[in-house]
Amino acid sequence: EIVLTQSPGTLSLSPGERATLSCRASQSVWSNYVAWYQQKPGQAPRLVIYSASSRATGVPDRISASGSGTDFTLTISRLEPEDFAMYYCQQYGRAPWTFGQGTKVEIQ
Amino acid sequence: QPQLQESGSGLVKPSQTLSLTCTVSGDSIGVGGYSWSWIRQPPGKAPEWIGWIYHDGRGDYNPSLKSRVTMSPDRSRNQISLKLTSVTVADTAVYFCARGGNGGGFHYWGQGILVTVSS
Repeated sequence: EIVLTQSPGTLSLSPGERATLSCRASQSVWSNYVAWYQQKPGQAPRLVIYSASSRATGVPDRISASGSGTDFTLTISRLEPEDFAMYYCQQYGRAPWTFGQGTKVEIQ
Repeated sequence: QPQLQESGSGLVKPSQTLSLTCTVSGDSIGVGGYSWSWIRQPPGKAPEWIGWIYHDGRGDYNPSLKSRVTMSPDRSRNQISLKLTSVTVADTAVYFCARGGNGGGFHYWGQGILVTVSS
């Protein structure tokens, strides 16, 4: 099973600042099949990125992602109030599909 | 866009079977070639993929749960069901159903249903 390790565990930032989240896989993810999800308390996760770098429908262009192989990054260029949430990466290149443990982006 | 709604018992006794249904509206599970998944999330923890299925019954399960899980499509009712046998307190979680999309990932999610395993 591919283990995904996200860092940092918590990111304390102010609105307008840049957020950089990391997701490292224990082995190479086939076809860079990595997704990122945003989750707010009491809600279902929301897909923001798929295939490592493609934005999902309705996701603003201040959210971007990159990476290949074992290292993947989600970047929020200028944090808006609605961006403060938990973020999970997920790989679907090899079964069983697995999630990282999450990074919480909180208001400083 | 599709709407997904989970339903079922929110309280299950240890050793019994958890049974949930995902009802899909605004889409047909038999059209489009998308996969339908169940995912669970214990309180305060990361999500865990349970398994996926197509409308024709093809699918795959997480090996960690495979011996206890059955997922079934019902095209006439536009539903996907989940059964998890021999539950323990470790199976307490919010259970979500989700639909795949072009390029992969879980594009659409239900709101989730909290299932508590307790005597």
